[in-house]
Amino acid sequence: ETAVFQTPNYHVTQVGNEVSFNCKQTLGHDTMYWYKQDSKKLLKIMFSYNNKQLIVNETVPRRFSPQSSDKAHLNLRIKSVEPEDSAVYLCASSPDRGQNTLYFGAGTRLSVL
Amino acid sequence: GDSVTQTEGLVTLTEGLPVMLNCTYQTIYSNPFLFWYVQHLNESPRLLLKSFTDNKRTEHQGFHATLHKSSSSFHLQKSSAQLSDSALYYCALNSGTYQRFGTGTKLQVVP
Repeated sequence: ETAVFQTPNYHVTQVGNEVSFNCKQTLGHDTMYWYKQDSKKLLKIMFSYNNKQLIVNETVPRRFSPQSSDKAHLNLRIKSVEPEDSAVYLCASSPDRGQNTLYFGAGTRLSVL
Repeated sequence: GDSVTQTEGLVTLTEGLPVMLNCTYQTIYSNPFLFWYVQHLNESPRLLLKSFTDNKRTEHQGFHATLHKSSSSFHLQKSSAQLSDSALYYCALNSGTYQRFGTGTKLQVVP
């Protein structure tokens, strides 16, 4: 059952370009997240939003900025990508702040040339 | 700060043998929630099982784990490995506002 939708699936770009990723959940959850999964499969939190409010902003470079128009949508913009940004970006949602199951989208794979 | 430590790297098992993937954690939070997620090839992680009750076994799809707060552990076990269990397994800790993941353990089950 896919209820967290991410676009695009893949994106290839060059260093210095700007990219945007979209995420929508249809589960009615209050909290959404962006996680980064790198080439070593390390899964790290980047941002968390609860009801459109930013509640977690881990140490990520300032070129990353989340955007939330409502509690069902959480987008991610990367201004001026770097080679180390190549990774899979996973969007997730949960009913509350992390004490319940995370439902992940299929991910957006970013390749920076 | 909070942390999660898992069995490192790759675990290779013969089909039919028992599975045990270790997970220990550190947190100042008195009521941690612990999770195991499984990620099959070309898929995203999905929940396998979870617990917040001390010393209570939780089971799902043949896997089980018990949260032991005294030893800060939440090891994943299964009595008999199947080929379809080959995947990446993550242990995760709720630290109040989000889930923090361990480094992941890749389980490879061979015939």
